[in-house]
Amino acid sequence: DAKTTQPNSMESNEEEPVHLPCNHSTISGTDYIHWYRQLPSQGPEYVIHGLTSNVNNRMASLAIAEDRKSSTLILHRATLRDAAVYYCILIQGATGTASKLTFGTGTRLQVTL
Amino acid sequence: DGGITQSPKYLFRKEGQNVTLSCEQNLNHDAMYWYRQDPGQGLRLIYYSQIVNDFQKGDIAEGYSVSREKKESFPLTVTSAQKNPTAFYLCASREERGYTFGSGTRLTVV
Repeated sequence: DAKTTQPNSMESNEEEPVHLPCNHSTISGTDYIHWYRQLPSQGPEYVIHGLTSNVNNRMASLAIAEDRKSSTLILHRATLRDAAVYYCILIQGATGTASKLTFGTGTRLQVTL
Repeated sequence: DGGITQSPKYLFRKEGQNVTLSCEQNLNHDAMYWYRQDPGQGLRLIYYSQIVNDFQKGDIAEGYSVSREKKESFPLTVTSAQKNPTAFYLCASREERGYTFGSGTRLTVV
């Protein structure tokens, strides 16, 4: 399974943008880059995903490097409710291939006033 | 609304007992997963199932068992052989967009 590398923790001030990096140098051509976040005592929730092009949704933006070996999750204005552990994972694109999914320890984002 | 329901939210087990954690989904997803999470740690895969009546061991299957008799249900049994079962257990299912997780069951051995 292709692995991802993230910083253990990051801090941000409220109302400021946050850029969460992820390295995935062994990504394959069929791997989608997914981001999930987990609030305390809850299951992870989907944030965003992409393949090659940058993506935007109501929660965040995803910037993918041209060589796809790294990506960045962008929270445009961090709020206290964004404090969570953020996981960057790679998922094979073929729906019929339900391979086992590996989560690392993610990045713990702290947001302060 | 479609989703994954895990029950109970909290579960206490005496040493030597088997307990079963429930996971039900109404998303019509074929693939389902069980993960274990310890404090400050990432998720570790216990078992997964790609289709009814079929399942595979994950990275830490020892001391656990599962069944997949129905598409909607993927219960996890924590047996007495699991030496350190106290943890947060998460069930998930897969769709084309990605994974949907339940809200988890916190199991404590007393």
